[in-house]
Amino acid sequence: NAGVTQTPKFQVLKTGQSMTLQCAQDMNHNSMYWYRQDPGMGLRLIYYSASEGTTDKGEVPNGYNVSRLNKREFSLRLESAAPSQTSVYFCASSEHSGSTGELFFGEGSRLTVL
Amino acid sequence: GDSVTQMEGPVTLSEEAFLTINCTYTATGYPSLFWYVQYPGEGLQLLLKATKADDKGSNKGFEATYRKETTSFHLEKGSVQVSDSAVYFCALSVRTYKYIFGTGTRLKVLA
Repeated sequence: NAGVTQTPKFQVLKTGQSMTLQCAQDMNHNSMYWYRQDPGMGLRLIYYSASEGTTDKGEVPNGYNVSRLNKREFSLRLESAAPSQTSVYFCASSEHSGSTGELFFGEGSRLTVL
Repeated sequence: GDSVTQMEGPVTLSEEAFLTINCTYTATGYPSLFWYVQYPGEGLQLLLKATKADDKGSNKGFEATYRKETTSFHLEKGSVQVSDSAVYFCALSVRTYKYIFGTGTRLKVLA
């Protein structure tokens, strides 16, 4: 009963380093999302993928890239990390694209950029 | 633009107290409204939702009613428990793929 799985759970980077956050869901959901959570700002959408083979920018896409590798997996890449990208990152998925759909979240990845 | 405003926390209550967490929204069209809960060290999970005006969502003793006239979706529980300590997020979705979250309200319940 895994749901949405994210790796790694914790990561410390130096400014300018790159890394990829991995996300996989086993619910056969079509849509997947990457959010960041910052104190006092709630969750902000970075990128989303409506279906396999498509990706679109969200509210705060600068400094990130994504890949929808297949229906299960959606990765988030930081090419050159900056301190402003210190945050908690959540991957989510939903069964369908309608506005009433429930989002299912992973446990989060805490990233610190020094 | 679309937005969600919820009361700032933290909210500290004694066990068995009544809980209200206020949430108001601004949206074009007819949004669906949600409350998500985040327990320490975990991701968000859906607590309840309402998809049209006057609908009442309920789960685990929590309730919220979609009030179109006041653009509100306040979360209530009659008697909180220590296990309800968490961060609560109000959210709306007005169209495909677009979910707007509030800033979250931390609830601490003391035994």
